[in-house]
Amino acid sequence: EPEVTQTPSHQVTQMGQEVILRCVPISNHLYFYWYRQILGQKVEFLVSFYNNEISEKSEIFDDQFSVERPDGSNFTLKIRSTKLEDSAMYFCASSLGDYSTYEQYFGPGTRLTVT
Amino acid sequence: KNEVEQSPQNLTAQEGEFITINCSYSVGISALHWLQQHPGGGIVSLFMLSSGKKKHGRLIATINIQEKHSSLHITASHPRDSAVYICAVCGSRLTFGEGTQLTVNP
Repeated sequence: EPEVTQTPSHQVTQMGQEVILRCVPISNHLYFYWYRQILGQKVEFLVSFYNNEISEKSEIFDDQFSVERPDGSNFTLKIRSTKLEDSAMYFCASSLGDYSTYEQYFGPGTRLTVT
Repeated sequence: KNEVEQSPQNLTAQEGEFITINCSYSVGISALHWLQQHPGGGIVSLFMLSSGKKKHGRLIATINIQEKHSSLHITASHPRDSAVYICAVCGSRLTFGEGTQLTVNP
């Protein structure tokens, strides 16, 4: 069964460093998402991406964040200058259509630790 | 007040029991997702529904759009059902509840 993959599974970085989290969505999916979950808290929406552009973003997704689909298979989340509060599990998801019509398939997550 | 409220927050059951997890929301939505988060953190979609009822194996999900309420039922619960169950509503974006931690004891 096709699945969403994410790399790395765990990333440790120092405050102020840039990190890139990578995701490979399911190949025929058209909608892509990033979510984060701070330890012990609920999952939060960051951004949705369709047709090579951001379709929706949350208040969390400020200028420090960017997303890209550089080559038609990868979907990346970049954090330019990490802060301690960026420490969280980051989940990528993809769906065939938009989230109000189609199920989302989640990747296993990348645990980001900012020290 | 959270846009999505789940109850209970924690639930412990004995194997074989019938489980109900509730989700209430305050915003207008087009659909609702039920998700399962495993102890290792992975998230799996269980249901997406916009009206009525859906069944998959021992799991049943219902939604009442007018009352802004959904329930997830597990029949004949099993220890492998132990996980966090999350309700997420489709408004302008996907908004998640806090989750219900379910523990099923043998």
